[in-house]
Amino acid sequence: DAGVTQSPTHLIKTRGQQVTLRCSPISGHKSVSWYQQVLGQGPQFIFQYYEKEERGRGNFPDRFSARQFPNYSSELNVNALLLGDSALYLCAVGSGTTYETQYFGPGTRLLVL
Amino acid sequence: AQSVTQLDSQVPVFEEAPVELRCNYSSSVSVYLFWYVQYPNQGLQLLLKYLSGSTLVKGINGFEAEFNKSQTSFHLRKPSVHISDTAEYFCAVSSTSGTYKYIFGTGTRLKVLA
Repeated sequence: DAGVTQSPTHLIKTRGQQVTLRCSPISGHKSVSWYQQVLGQGPQFIFQYYEKEERGRGNFPDRFSARQFPNYSSELNVNALLLGDSALYLCAVGSGTTYETQYFGPGTRLLVL
Repeated sequence: AQSVTQLDSQVPVFEEAPVELRCNYSSSVSVYLFWYVQYPNQGLQLLLKYLSGSTLVKGINGFEAEFNKSQTSFHLRKPSVHISDTAEYFCAVSSTSGTYKYIFGTGTRLKVLA
C-alpha cells in the first residue's frame, strides 16, 4: 500500500445523508484516484486528480465529487446516499507520469442503511 | 476503451500444486498490465506489472505472469501454492497515455486446499 492511509476505516450512514472520505498519500505521489468496489466485483474507477486538477472521471453520477489539496491529500464526497452506494471505497496514489503504478490504500467500507 | 475478462470466478487448488489464473484484455491502444491481490477485508496489493520489455514478469510471493500480445492475455502463474495464497486476485489494465485509470476484471477467488 506504499503508506497510503484512508479514513475512516468503516462508516455507517442512512439513505439521503452525505459522506466525506479522506485519503493521505505518501510523499512524492502527486496523483490520486478513487475507486468503488461493490461486494463481489472488481474496483470501478470514479475519479483521478493530478496536481489538484481533475484528470479523469468514471461513469458515476454528479452526487460523487472529489478534490485534491496542495499537500496532495484528497477527499471524496458523496451526496444523497443510496443503498447502492454501499461499497469499499479505495484510494490509489501514483506518480502521475508515464509508467505510473498505482498503490492502493486499505479502503473505507461504507454501509448505507 | 479497455476491458478485462477474468474467465474463472473461483479456482480451487491443493496446496503445493501449480496454479494459473487467466486474464484477457481488450484495448484499441497500448496498455500497461497489472495483477493485484486482495486479502479479506483489506485493500489491493500489487503483485506484479508489465510496462514494457520482457514479456515474462516476476512478482512478489513467487508469482509470475506472461504478456502475450497476440492473444491479448496476461495470465498469472505460481508453480507451488500455499494456504496463505488464498485471496482474491484482480487483473487490471491502464492506457499508456492520458488518464492512467485502471480497468479491473471481476476477480478470481483462489482457494488453496490443505
